[in-house]
Amino acid sequence: AQTVTQSQPEMSVQEAETVTLSCTYDTSESDYYLFWYKQPPSRQMILVIRQEAYKQQNATENRFSVNFQKAAKSFSLKISDSQLGDAAMYFCAYRSAWGTSYGKLTFGQGTILTVHP
Amino acid sequence: ETGVTQTPRHLVMGMTNKKSLKCEQHLGHNAMYWYKQSAKKPLELMFVYNFKEQTENNSVPSRFSPECPNSSHLFLHLHTLQPEDSALYLCASSQDIGTSGAYNEQFFGPGTRLTVL
Repeated sequence: AQTVTQSQPEMSVQEAETVTLSCTYDTSESDYYLFWYKQPPSRQMILVIRQEAYKQQNATENRFSVNFQKAAKSFSLKISDSQLGDAAMYFCAYRSAWGTSYGKLTFGQGTILTVHP
Repeated sequence: ETGVTQTPRHLVMGMTNKKSLKCEQHLGHNAMYWYKQSAKKPLELMFVYNFKEQTENNSVPSRFSPECPNSSHLFLHLHTLQPEDSALYLCASSQDIGTSGAYNEQFFGPGTRLTVL
């Protein structure tokens, strides 16, 4: 079974600064997908960024980018030019690309990000 | 209404009560999911439905009974719950569970905050 670990229960950043959230995972699969989800205080979880394991290039979405290290099984999220609206719980998630676990998301414990003005 | 909606947003019930949670998706998706989010624990997948058929029951106690009458609606019937069942229950939907690719993402509802007294 796959596991996802977020070792930082809480992080904080000053507005306009950069912060990196860590995520590691354990899997024996070679093909899979990784995601970062954001859950603001309103509770609606939204997808921030996705990475396909077969792609070596790190995904980017505006101010959000990832550092995907497949050999190290590491998938960190970098938020540049942090904004007050970035304050939320961030979840790292794993999804198999095939097999009986296909379609199921496995989540990490989450990291609470606080943005200070 | 757009996206994934859940009702009620908050629910308080006694251990002998029977209640139901409702989820509706307006995205034309065919797969729907129930997750349980407890404090300081990763999101736990409970049930998966694909084209109205249950494809996953993640060893959930029988006091939780899901129902999926059509691809747009998902219910979670609750009876004789325990205080440890207090949590945020999230519903999600995706195109289906057979479509490959990272773009078959799950869209989440705002959740129902359940308190069992």
